[in-house]
Amino acid sequence: QKEVEQNSGPLSVPEGAIASLNCTYSDRGSQSFFWYRQYSGKSPELIMSIYSNGDKEDGRFTAQLNKASQYVSLLIRDSQPSDSATYLCAVIADYKLSFGAGTTVTVRA
Amino acid sequence: NAGVTQTPKFRILKIGQSMTLQCAQDMNHNYMYWYRQDPGMGLKLIYYSVGAGITDKGEVPNGYNVSRSTTEDFPLRLELAAPSQTSVYFCASSYSFRGEYSNQPQHFGDGTRLSIL
Repeated sequence: QKEVEQNSGPLSVPEGAIASLNCTYSDRGSQSFFWYRQYSGKSPELIMSIYSNGDKEDGRFTAQLNKASQYVSLLIRDSQPSDSATYLCAVIADYKLSFGAGTTVTVRA
Repeated sequence: NAGVTQTPKFRILKIGQSMTLQCAQDMNHNYMYWYRQDPGMGLKLIYYSVGAGITDKGEVPNGYNVSRSTTEDFPLRLELAAPSQTSVYFCASSYSFRGEYSNQPQHFGDGTRLSIL
């Protein structure tokens, strides 16, 4: 089993809709969780971090964490064409950061 | 504040050649990492370092070597380049994932695009 798994995508949503990205992880001891956005040909950039169960909102982004279910998600509200990118879930486990394979999101104008 | 700086940005190598990818950070981070990313794929950890003089293998270390003589620099060496090493290489740094820094994310460089022909 991979340490971090993401819904494979690609995900296509119309402009203004909600994009929902999912991630599960295998290490129950994981404490810190991150979402990175990566535009084509660019390096990953951090957009959200979450450490406690529940929701965390930052602008149009909401991260949700459920440690009991070993599940973390990212919602993008009012999706814009500029949100078209690959989103990487990352989890700190055993003092290392493990990445999922990423989900590619395309926002249709 | 430069952050994480990688050089070169692009390089084409012939099979069997060697080269060093440079990475430097100015944030006084003790952890540094090298990843490779193949087209349409996620990041795979090659090597990482938890401090000067200390390095360890990641998921895909074969064909690569690293050294960490200073806190700032973490070069990646390719010996006998092979076509399978064609990829984008990212260097990243962070504070330790222990204790008070356990929630600190990684900072990435802009990447080195390497083609081996």
